[in-house]
Amino acid sequence: ILNVEQSPQSLHVQEGDSTNFTCSFPSSNFYALHWYRWETAKSPEALFVMTLNGDEKKKGRISATLNTKEGYSYLYIKGSQPEDSATYLCAFPTTSGTYKYIFGTGTRLKVLA
Amino acid sequence: GAGVSQSPSNKVTEKGKDVELRCDPISGHTALYWYRQRLGQGLEFLIYFQGNSAPDKSGLPSDRFSAERTGESVSTLTIQRTQQEDSAVYLCASSLRLAGGPVTGELFFGEGSRLTVL
Repeated sequence: ILNVEQSPQSLHVQEGDSTNFTCSFPSSNFYALHWYRWETAKSPEALFVMTLNGDEKKKGRISATLNTKEGYSYLYIKGSQPEDSATYLCAFPTTSGTYKYIFGTGTRLKVLA
Repeated sequence: GAGVSQSPSNKVTEKGKDVELRCDPISGHTALYWYRQRLGQGLEFLIYFQGNSAPDKSGLPSDRFSAERTGESVSTLTIQRTQQEDSAVYLCASSLRLAGGPVTGELFFGEGSRLTVL
């Protein structure tokens, strides 16, 4: 059974704070890791697709790093804004069979104004 | 349309009734997924279609659940004799996949179908 774990489960920060959360995944047979943002009443949207060990990706105030050897990825948000409030999901394909994507339980972020 | 389209957006039904949920993926996307999110829980994998290959049904929670896909287009998820625990948001996603390996490109999600079973 593939385990994709995310921590923390939820997080409240003040506007302007920087924050980060973690996605842990099996380190063997790595193919790709995805980060998604899921805002209330909307559909999940991809933030980053990460495929190489050491990858660092950035989109505005949000960035992500990847360590495939130890099996984790960090998502960072610099200077959090209320509009960053969402659930952040990571997803990882199974390494055999059909390679379906399995999602972590997510980190629910609330940015307080 | 440009994105993944799902219908209905909301469905309220009585326990024991059958429901059908529809997903229209992005044209040309060979991979199609169904997930669901029950209240307070994460995204739970249900079923995966890839081109003309046999679907991966390993996530379907019971034999009351079934899904079909016509070629590389529309998919329907059918839930028979609905139960209250079936209440959830059902999400469809599509993506490209190169033969012989996993999808590495992003999944594009529809806006979901919210199912409430009374």
